[in-house]
Amino acid sequence: DAGITQSPRHKVTETGTPVTLRCHQTENHRYMYWYRQDPGHGLRLIHYSYGVKDTDKGEVSDGYSVSRSKTEDFLLTLESATSSQTSVYFCAISESRGAGTDTQYFGPGTRLTVL
Amino acid sequence: KNQVEQSPQSLIILEGKNCTLQCNYTVSPFSNLRWYKQDTGRGPVSLTIMTFSENTKSNGRYTATLDADTKQSSLHITASQLSDSASYICVVSASGGGADGLTFGKGTHLIIQP
Repeated sequence: DAGITQSPRHKVTETGTPVTLRCHQTENHRYMYWYRQDPGHGLRLIHYSYGVKDTDKGEVSDGYSVSRSKTEDFLLTLESATSSQTSVYFCAISESRGAGTDTQYFGPGTRLTVL
Repeated sequence: KNQVEQSPQSLIILEGKNCTLQCNYTVSPFSNLRWYKQDTGRGPVSLTIMTFSENTKSNGRYTATLDADTKQSSLHITASQLSDSASYICVVSASGGGADGLTFGKGTHLIIQP
């Protein structure tokens, strides 16, 4: 998984609680991304970062916030988890912007269940 | 709206047989097309990436083709192995698109039976 770790790998939480997922990379890549993957949908971009403290919204950003205080770490926060946020979350990295020809490398994923 | 459609949704073949997965897209302007393999419980892993000028690209037993005129791509797997059981995802990039310029297909779930 190209030097990318995600934590936790599995989490069960209750509706209304805050949740933070962590992505850590050892590749020193500039771009980092958070996606969610749900049955019947392709991977959908939540937020991405193009540098320390530089982030932008993706297709499905409502209910999520992110922070990147160091090159190697990208945090995804669900301020108040809802059942619709039950999903598998993937972190990805790339050297340049994702729509270019650089490969995106994905982490192992975090399975989040919101009861 | 940019779209990527993959077919079939799922496919079961016997070990040793060949198969072809399809990807049709309406992404414009086109930049590149990627195929990823995703094993159960793992993140996607890149197999190939093709730009507008490339018609064919191989990676071992995987061969991807691209017809930019008809906006179609295929992924051919030769002499399938049990380890090929996975989901295969087609991803198309829009030229000039930023980090959110990628459109993901829903994937084809391939099962190889012994």
